[in-house]
Formats: sequence, structure tokens, C-alpha cells
Amino acid sequence: QQPVQSPQAVILREGEDAVINCSSSKALYSVHWYRQKHGEAPVFLMILLKGGEQKGHEKISASFNEKKQQSSLYLTASQLSYSGTYFCGTEEGAGANNLFFGTGTRLTVIP
Amino acid sequence: KAGVTQTPRYLIKTRGQQVTLSCSPISGHRSVSWYQQTPGQGLQFLFEYFSETQRNKGNFPGRFSGRQFSNSRSEMNVSTLELGDSALYLCASSEGTSGYKETQYFGPGTRLLVL
Repeated sequence: QQPVQSPQAVILREGEDAVINCSSSKALYSVHWYRQKHGEAPVFLMILLKGGEQKGHEKISASFNEKKQQSSLYLTASQLSYSGTYFCGTEEGAGANNLFFGTGTRLTVIP
Repeated sequence: KAGVTQTPRYLIKTRGQQVTLSCSPISGHRSVSWYQQTPGQGLQFLFEYFSETQRNKGNFPGRFSGRQFSNSRSEMNVSTLELGDSALYLCASSEGTSGYKETQYFGPGTRLLVL
């Protein structure tokens, strides 16, 4: 049930782009993306729902391929503040309110 | 609105003891979920409470239990602590009425160290 994230870690220079992938072996109803900085709580970034609806931040985009049970998070023109660990959380039931999280992708942006 | 609050923020216990952690959700939120975060296992779902009832449960032993009060505040209890219970325990709140469509908002967590 735990989704698989890739890559595990990535280092970028400011201004570069990155893609973080999340895949599950189960049919998904939604995919949630969070960013966690060291010592802090995970912060919501985006939710992608079955059927195509999305809610999230303007500067971050993501895709959700329901048939392949995959989601990708796109970080463009990265800034130093983008550094942190990115987690995807997946929900497998329509009435569910519990997330199965991937192991995270550590993103480091350097000047 | 105030965010999700958790108390205490840090806790040190010894093996065999029990511990109770508290979570106050965002005002108006009726669902509270608990997660355990460890370096090796990542974020793992413990359970979710809605309107004082446990609605979802993860794959943890019975030593982990919880409850929710009428004001939506929730407590989590771990009995007979083991070294492996050392972790950051996070709670997250949401409105609770829209299932998979809802955003969960996390609290700062309680860091538990078991010696």
C-alpha cells in the first residue's frame, strides 16, 4: 500500500527544474503532496483527485495518471526555499481519510 | 484560524512505561488522524477519529490506542513502550466529511524518545 517515490534524493541549482514521481500498485482516489523541512511538520502542497480536479499552490504543478496509479510533482525554476523532503500520500478508498505515504524525496537547492 | 497543536512537543520515557499524547485540531475540523514518523519507515498511518469514533485504523499493535472527545480534541496512548516506539508522532486534522478529497493539516508533532 505504501507508494514508491523516485528519486530518493536530488540536488539542484537555483533556477533548475525537478520532477518527483510517485507510483502505487493500488487504484487511487487521490494523491496528496507535502513538503517537510527538517524539524517541522509536513506542509500541504497539492491534492489531485480522481476525475481530474486539483487543489494547490500556483507555483507548483502536478499530474495524476489514474490508469497507471502514478503522480508526478513538477518544481520549476527552483528556489532555495524549495529545499526539503517531499512526500506523496495516497488514498485508496472513496470514504477514506487516511494517507499512505511514500518514503520521501530529499530535495536540496544550492545557490 | 489557529493551526493544529500538539502537546507535549518532546517526551522521554523508559521501556515499559506508557505515554499519552494530545492533539487539538483546527477549529471546525472533526477528523483527527495520527501518524508515526521514523527514519526507517517514514510516515505511517496509525488511526483516524471522526465524531468521537475510530473510523480508520492502520497496521499497528493494540498497544497503540486513541480517543476523541466531543470538542474534537484527540489523545493517543501507547502502553508498554518499546525502544522501537521512538519516533515523531504527528496528528493531522481535516473537516472529515469529504473523504479522499480533503486536505489534511499537520501539527508540529511530539517527539518521543524511549530509553
